[in-house]
Amino acid sequence: EAGVTQFPSHSVIEKGQTVTLRCDPISGHDNLYWYRRVMGKEIKFLLHFVKESKQDESGMPNNRFLAERTGGTYSTLKVQPAELEDSGVYFCASSQDLTRRFSPLHFGNGTRLTVT
Amino acid sequence: AQTVTQSQPEMSVQEAETVTLSCTYDTSESNYYLFWYKQPPSRQMILVIRQEAYKQQNATENRFSVNFQKAAKSFSLKISDSQLGDTAMYFCAFRSGQGAQKLVFGQGTRLTINP
Repeated sequence: EAGVTQFPSHSVIEKGQTVTLRCDPISGHDNLYWYRRVMGKEIKFLLHFVKESKQDESGMPNNRFLAERTGGTYSTLKVQPAELEDSGVYFCASSQDLTRRFSPLHFGNGTRLTVT
Repeated sequence: AQTVTQSQPEMSVQEAETVTLSCTYDTSESNYYLFWYKQPPSRQMILVIRQEAYKQQNATENRFSVNFQKAAKSFSLKISDSQLGDTAMYFCAFRSGQGAQKLVFGQGTRLTINP
C-alpha cells in the first residue's frame, strides 16, 4: 500500500508570499493530521481532520494558516502571507477510524518550508 | 495540558553498544499511550515502539525495549546492539486514551551510532 505522500518536499519562498502544501493520506484513512516542527524545537500539532471535517484545530497558530480537506481525501495547508517564523518542517499523518482502540499514525516525509 | 520532556539533545555511542534515551511526561490522566518515533535522515517518521499505560509489562520490539515507570512518569527507550542504521532523531510522544487523538511530542534526541 502507498504511504502518506506530501508535496512538495521542499519549498523556498519570500516573506509575504503564499505557499500551499499538499498531503495525500493512505487510502481509506479517515483521520488526517498536520504537525509542524520549527527548527530545533518539538513537533507541534496543528490540526486534525476526520474525513472532511475539522475535528480539532487548536494548534493552528493564526489566521494566516488555512487547512482544507475537500471530499475527505487529500488535504492542503495554505500559508498566506508567509512570515519568517513559519519556516520549519510540516508533517502530515493519517490513521484509520478511531473506533479502534489503537490506530497507529502513519507519517509522510514532511515538507521543509523555508521563508526568506 | 500534557507535556513531554527529552533532556538529552544529542547522544553518541559506538556500534554494538547499548544506549538508553530518556523521556519524562506530565499528565493527570490514568489511561494514555506512549510512543517512540524515529526520524532518520530520510525524514520518514517511523513508529519504533508503543506502550499502553494500563499495561505493566514493558513493551519490546526486537532490539528496542522501554522502561515504563508510570508512577515516576518516565518512559525511556533502550536500544541494544546498536547499528549504524539506528542513527536518527528519536521523539518521545504522548497520546491521551480518550478524547483528543493528537500526539504531544518531546523535543527529540539526536542519536549517532559510530562505526
